[in-house]
Amino acid sequence: EVQLLESGGGLVQPGGSLRLSCAASGFTFSNYAMSWVRQAPGKGLEWVSGISNSGGSTYYADSVKGRFTISRDNSKNTLYLQMNSLRAEDTAVYYCARRIPVSGTLFDFDYWGQGTLVTVSS
Amino acid sequence: QSALTQPASVSASPGQSITISCTGTSSDVGRYNYVSWYQQHPGKAPKLMIYDVSNRPSGVSNRFSGSKSGNTASLTISGLQAEDEADYYCSSYTSNSVLFGGGTKLTVL
Repeated sequence: EVQLLESGGGLVQPGGSLRLSCAASGFTFSNYAMSWVRQAPGKGLEWVSGISNSGGSTYYADSVKGRFTISRDNSKNTLYLQMNSLRAEDTAVYYCARRIPVSGTLFDFDYWGQGTLVTVSS
Repeated sequence: QSALTQPASVSASPGQSITISCTGTSSDVGRYNYVSWYQQHPGKAPKLMIYDVSNRPSGVSNRFSGSKSGNTASLTISGLQAEDEADYYCSSYTSNSVLFGGGTKLTVL
């Protein structure tokens, strides 16, 4: 059974940093591109960042470029999101999501974690 | 890049059909056949219902179908059931990223 389990969320002050993790199981993690998608309270979905299966290619939304860094450790079956210079508008539930392999892009997601809440507030 | 445009809400009775539109631009929806649709129940993670405009993942009911014309994609749900009540989001690939729509709340009366 495919499982994605996010962790690392919490309350952080504006300008602070946080690192999210997503532990994957039930599939060969190194074969799949992954992404982070966030959802502000009561709002819609926003794609944040994506990474190829090898980690050699990374992609970012303009809203986080230069502040967030996506990475993965295929030996640990874990996806990461390092978030720096956090702003109030980064407050959201952050989901990790697996690319569906049959899609024509890296950005269609067939499995999602349950999310971890990041709150940026003083 | 602006979010794709969806109606805020739609409603219909059980057994009826509905269509949710998703309007983008010639840089996203109009340019690529990579539109997806997600269903999200309150407090739950999104579920992929349609990918690459009209393909259904394994396990998704054939009551769900997708199409595209120009800069607008559509999700049609036929034979509405109570469990279809949820938020629906479209997404479109665009230049090494993906845009989501603002979401549509489907109410089954």
